[in-house]
Amino acid sequence: QLQLQESGPGLVKPSETLSLTCTVSGDSLISSRYYWAWVRQPPGKGPEWIGSIYSSGNTYYNPSLQSRVTMVVDTSKNQFSLRVFSVTAADRAVYFCARHSRPMGAVTYPFDYWGQGTLVTVSS
Amino acid sequence: QSALTQPPSASGSPGQSVTISCAGSIDDIGIHDFVSWYQQFPGKAPKLIIYDVSKRPLGVPDRFSGSKSGKTASLTVSGLQTDDEADYYCSSYAGNNRLVFGGGTKLTVL
Repeated sequence: QLQLQESGPGLVKPSETLSLTCTVSGDSLISSRYYWAWVRQPPGKGPEWIGSIYSSGNTYYNPSLQSRVTMVVDTSKNQFSLRVFSVTAADRAVYFCARHSRPMGAVTYPFDYWGQGTLVTVSS
Repeated sequence: QSALTQPPSASGSPGQSVTISCAGSIDDIGIHDFVSWYQQFPGKAPKLIIYDVSKRPLGVPDRFSGSKSGKTASLTVSGLQTDDEADYYCSSYAGNNRLVFGGGTKLTVL
């Protein structure tokens, strides 16, 4: 049974860096042929795709966030991570990690497995 | 502001059918058949219920159906049940390795 679990601070100060990690169980990232992603959802609003990453480290980012976002994969820990730089109140959201539903295909396919999500608040 | 436009609310009585629209552009829904729909309950992650415009993942009842015409996709829920009361989001591949979502529709079962 594939499971994803987000972890990281729930409170970040304005202008600082938001850092989250997604731990994957039930699949091995090093041999997985799937892309993995971060999606965020501000309270009461629709989701926003942040970016996707492959086990090789290949990444695709939402153009609207690309200048402030970095994703990294650590296959030894079966984790992938997200960093959002220079956060503002607009970055307050529930952050989900997820898996694209079909092998390869990069960003083309929707998400079939999701973590439970973690709320990140930006405040001093 | 979301890239795809959905009505903020929809409603129907048990047993009835309701259709939720999702308006996009020539860059996403208008040219790609990678439209998906998600169901989300409060405090939970979204659940994929429709992909590739009209396909259902295993375990999703056939009461849920999807379609597309031009730049607009639609989700129809037939035989409404109280358990269907949730938020519904559309999503589409938008080319150049981009995914976009709608702002969501709150479905109320009266």
